[in-house]
Amino acid sequence: NAGVTQTPKFRVLKTGQSMTLLCAQDMNHEYMYWYRQDPGMGLRLIHYSVGEGTTAKGEVPDGYNVSRLKKQNFLLGLESAAPSQTSVYFCASSYYSARQETQYFGPGTRLLVL
Amino acid sequence: KQEVTQIPAALSVPEGENLVLNCSFTDSAIYNLQWFRQDPGKGLTSLLLIQSSQREQTSGRLNASLDKSSGRSTLYIAASQPGDSATYLCAALFSGAGSYQLTFGKGTKLSVIP
Repeated sequence: NAGVTQTPKFRVLKTGQSMTLLCAQDMNHEYMYWYRQDPGMGLRLIHYSVGEGTTAKGEVPDGYNVSRLKKQNFLLGLESAAPSQTSVYFCASSYYSARQETQYFGPGTRLLVL
Repeated sequence: KQEVTQIPAALSVPEGENLVLNCSFTDSAIYNLQWFRQDPGKGLTSLLLIQSSQREQTSGRLNASLDKSSGRSTLYIAASQPGDSATYLCAALFSGAGSYQLTFGKGTKLSVIP
């Protein structure tokens, strides 16, 4: 099993450009999450999904959109990138909710917005 | 606001020493408390998850305790090794946040000196 994979590993964008980050998991997990990690801020939840076709907002959803068209994939979109979105983005997944089970994290995508 | 705090931000110890990492949280109404390890440039790896009804969990040389009444958790690492060098994050699932939104501390960066 590959676990949780993220594409791309690193990307540089100019302000106003758009891009999509892809997260894929091969563990048949129901729950998927997108976090961002910033120096001095810790990890913060952007959006999450409790199953195929469902999405919900987390702590810092503004400027991002997500889609979960297939159970194994969770996409994070930036429609118009801003320098404040420079961060490291982590995807995670779990079979059960966070009340019952830990989350399995991908290796991260480092995004720089100029 | 529900917060998770980890002190110190960095810790350096000689190899073989037993050590304790601290995590405090502002609200005793938690579902669980989790400890993760993050290596440089990598994603998070789950170490231990303690449910609110439990007092401690053990895995190999690691032991995590939970004291809800005092709002504290500790991660004890026995006989530290250079391979233990990493950033250790704790995360709380607060009851008011539902089943999905983990609140992370900013981490303690551990260096084990050979």
